[in-house]
Amino acid sequence: ETGVTQSPTHLIKTRGQQVTLRCSSQSGHNTVSWYQQALGQGPQFIFQYYREEENGRGNFPPRFSGLQFPNYSSELNVNALELDDSALYLCASSPPGGTSSYNEQFFGPGTRLTVL
Amino acid sequence: KNQVEQSPQSLIILEGKNCTLQCNYTVSPFSNLRWYKQDTGRGPVSLTIMTFSENTKSNGRYTATLDADTKQSSLHITASQLSDSASYICVVSAIPGGSYIPTFGRGTSLIVHP
Repeated sequence: ETGVTQSPTHLIKTRGQQVTLRCSSQSGHNTVSWYQQALGQGPQFIFQYYREEENGRGNFPPRFSGLQFPNYSSELNVNALELDDSALYLCASSPPGGTSSYNEQFFGPGTRLTVL
Repeated sequence: KNQVEQSPQSLIILEGKNCTLQCNYTVSPFSNLRWYKQDTGRGPVSLTIMTFSENTKSNGRYTATLDADTKQSSLHITASQLSDSASYICVVSAIPGGSYIPTFGRGTSLIVHP
């Protein structure tokens, strides 16, 4: 059984560009959540996907968008990158049981995005 | 506004010593509180979860407490080991309208010296 994987590991972009980050959920997990973790800060919830639908969203602008595919893998897309978007982006998956916050989340290693 | 405050921001202790980390929150409606351990360069790993009716939960050398009346939680680490060096994050979840909204604290950075 493989854990949550994310790609790429590191990424450098310039202001105004667009970026797509990818996440493969742990085998058997159908819920994926995305988080942004700035240096020295705790993760901030971006949004959650359950059965390919967005289920819950944090305080992030619409230029942060996502997708979940039938195999439950997910993408995070960020348009019009800003310097403050530089952060570690974490993906977490949860096993079946719906979107209950009681379900334990298993985090991936993250993608480090640097915006110049 | 939902907030989770952790203290201290950082802590240095000697191997074998005990320590206690604090978490205060203003999250409503409260669903549950988790403590995570995050090693440098890795994603967080869940240590404990507590609901409103639980006031203590243990996981090996980690013991979490919850006072839902005062909205405070603590994580006590017994007989610390070098591998305990990490960031410890308190996360409180609310379920307004059925959606899952977690609020993360900034974490306490723990360094255990030999």
